Amino acid sequence: GAGVSQSPSNKVTEKGKDVELRCDPISGHTALYWYRQSLGQGLEFLIYFQGNSAPDKSGLPSDRFSAERTGGSVSTLTIQRTQQEDSAVYLCASSFPTSGSGSSYNEQFFGPGTRLTVL
Amino acid sequence: LAKTTQPISMDSYEGQEVNITCSHNNIATNDYITWYQQFPSQGPRFIIQGYKTKVTNEVASLFIPADRKSSTLSLPRVSLSDTAVYYCLVDLRNTDKLIFGTGTRLQVFP
Repeated sequence: GAGVSQSPSNKVTEKGKDVELRCDPISGHTALYWYRQSLGQGLEFLIYFQGNSAPDKSGLPSDRFSAERTGGSVSTLTIQRTQQEDSAVYLCASSFPTSGSGSSYNEQFFGPGTRLTVL
Repeated sequence: LAKTTQPISMDSYEGQEVNITCSHNNIATNDYITWYQQFPSQGPRFIIQGYKTKVTNEVASLFIPADRKSSTLSLPRVSLSDTAVYYCLVDLRNTDKLIFGTGTRLQVFP
């Protein structure tokens, strides 16, 4: 079956422009996660959705970042007024619903990422 | 917020056992520990998950001591294809955040 897909695979933009990154999760996965990975660095958690709801948005780096998810499926990560430090690979992952406090959470399946370059 | 730390890099030879340790001093009662593998230009891939003691699957074992402040991923007999970056992840169930470790770059030599 299809895995997590992300688009575009590569995005080059000029400083100050807005960009929108898209994630299509695996069908049936209600949990969706966004991460950022700068060159040669580890994974920085940004936000996660359970259905259409994001319980905690404090992981977003600044107020220029926003994310939404509609219909419990596709999610978009929007970066307004991009800066050079926003250049990174943005990874999306999805999983089956988390089982709640005290239970193991489910395996995340990652997409290939969107490589964003801000000139 | 919990912080996880791992060795930056490790070297090994084919056929050897590799143990990678992650420390997570502030892990909470409900948090699970998961390990992921990442190859260049790809998203991470799940390896194994555990809560306490020992978990084993077809590719790895995970050892978690009683105090759960660390965990050790054990790869029994590595091959060249195991060259990758390995991350531990603590799922902070009480904060809706997920904290990946700093990653350990494993290089396997022939």
